[in-house]
Amino acid sequence: AQKITQTQPGMFVQEKEAVTLDCTYDTSDQSYGLFWYKQPSSGEMIFLIYQGSYDEQNATEGRYSLNFQKARKSANLVISASQLGDSAMYFCAMREYTSGTYKYIFGTGTRLKVLA
Amino acid sequence: DGGITQSPKYLFRKEGQNVTLSCEQNLNHDAMYWYRQDPGQGLRLIYYSQIVNDFQKGDIAEGYSVSREKKESFPLTVTSAQKNPTAFYLCASSTITTGLNTEAFFGQGTRLTVV
Repeated sequence: AQKITQTQPGMFVQEKEAVTLDCTYDTSDQSYGLFWYKQPSSGEMIFLIYQGSYDEQNATEGRYSLNFQKARKSANLVISASQLGDSAMYFCAMREYTSGTYKYIFGTGTRLKVLA
Repeated sequence: DGGITQSPKYLFRKEGQNVTLSCEQNLNHDAMYWYRQDPGQGLRLIYYSQIVNDFQKGDIAEGYSVSREKKESFPLTVTSAQKNPTAFYLCASSTITTGLNTEAFFGQGTRLTVV
């Protein structure tokens, strides 16, 4: 079975600095998709960025970029120029296909606190 | 606007009672999912469904039940058999296209507390 590992329970970053949130994954599939979500204190899950296993370039979406190292099975999220509103939980996820059905598996998350 | 609606936002239940959490989507998605979130444990899959009248158990299905009588609706019942039901419950949906870049869309969540 596929697995997502986020080893950083909590992180601090100074406002306007960049921060990297780690994510490693385990899969035997050649074709897969990786996702990052943000969860503010309100509880909603906000989709941030996607990386496909066949994408040759790292994904970018505004201040978010994904440092994808396929051989190392890592998909780290980089947030540049941190803002106070970036304080939230961040989850790495993978879309899994087993027994004819799709599902999403998530890591345990990293709580990011941006300091003024 | 298209989206996923979960209700209620907060729910209190007495021990020994069953309770049903509502999840409705108007995104025309085939797949729907229920996740449970506890501090430090991320999102764990309870049940999921790809088509009407069919659903599969996730990793922590014991003490829960679901139905999928309509494409738009996927209610979750937390039964009295669930030993520790206090948690935050998230409903999600997605298409079932084979494209890799198919993200899941989430509702606002229901916070269930057993009193």
